[in-house]
Amino acid sequence: EDKVVQSPLSLVVHEGDTVTLNCSYEVTNFRSLLWYKQEKKAPTFLFMLTSSGIEKKSGRLSSILDKKELFSILNITATQTGDSAVYLCAVTPRYDGSGNTGKLIFGQGTTLQVKP
Amino acid sequence: DGGITQSPKYLFRKEGQNVTLSCEQNLNHDAMYWYRQDPGQGLRLIYYSQIVNDFQKGDIAEGYSVSREKKESFPLTVTSAQKNPTAFYLCASTRGQPNTEAFFGQGTRLTVV
Repeated sequence: EDKVVQSPLSLVVHEGDTVTLNCSYEVTNFRSLLWYKQEKKAPTFLFMLTSSGIEKKSGRLSSILDKKELFSILNITATQTGDSAVYLCAVTPRYDGSGNTGKLIFGQGTTLQVKP
Repeated sequence: DGGITQSPKYLFRKEGQNVTLSCEQNLNHDAMYWYRQDPGQGLRLIYYSQIVNDFQKGDIAEGYSVSREKKESFPLTVTSAQKNPTAFYLCASTRGQPNTEAFFGQGTRLTVV
């Protein structure tokens, strides 16, 4: 059964700290891994990773994928209170040529709280 | 502007009633999804549809039903058979391969009273 597991489930840090969120997966025919940030309602897209070892960066956030070990990490440096949110990891299966895009499989999320 | 619209934002239902949540997208996306989110948890897949007139069960389909008569629309019905329907429901869509980024609606919070 395909699954995505995130850790830790929750995390409390202080402003200025650096955090690392983990996402491991077991998916048949892996295509890509996505990270989302969810503050109140709709998740907002952060990164999409398809290749191992290539870091994606956006400001203080960065992410990398290891397809051999089947995991990804999301790093946030110099955290701010505005980083407080649920961070979701999702995996998409590979296109099989028949138009089958398959399921979008989410982990259970990591709730990050950044205290002033 | 293109996007996904869910309605209503808040919904109250009496026990034993069916209720339908709307999801419309004008992104010309092929695949659409319904997820359920309970407090402090991630997204659990209810149903998904890759093309019109076709849909598949997700991990927690019991007590729910869907239809996909039009590419733009993927309504979810929460039936009286769903034992614990109070939750936050999110609809998402994705374009066909190779771009698989999912776009989300703003969600519907359903409360059973």
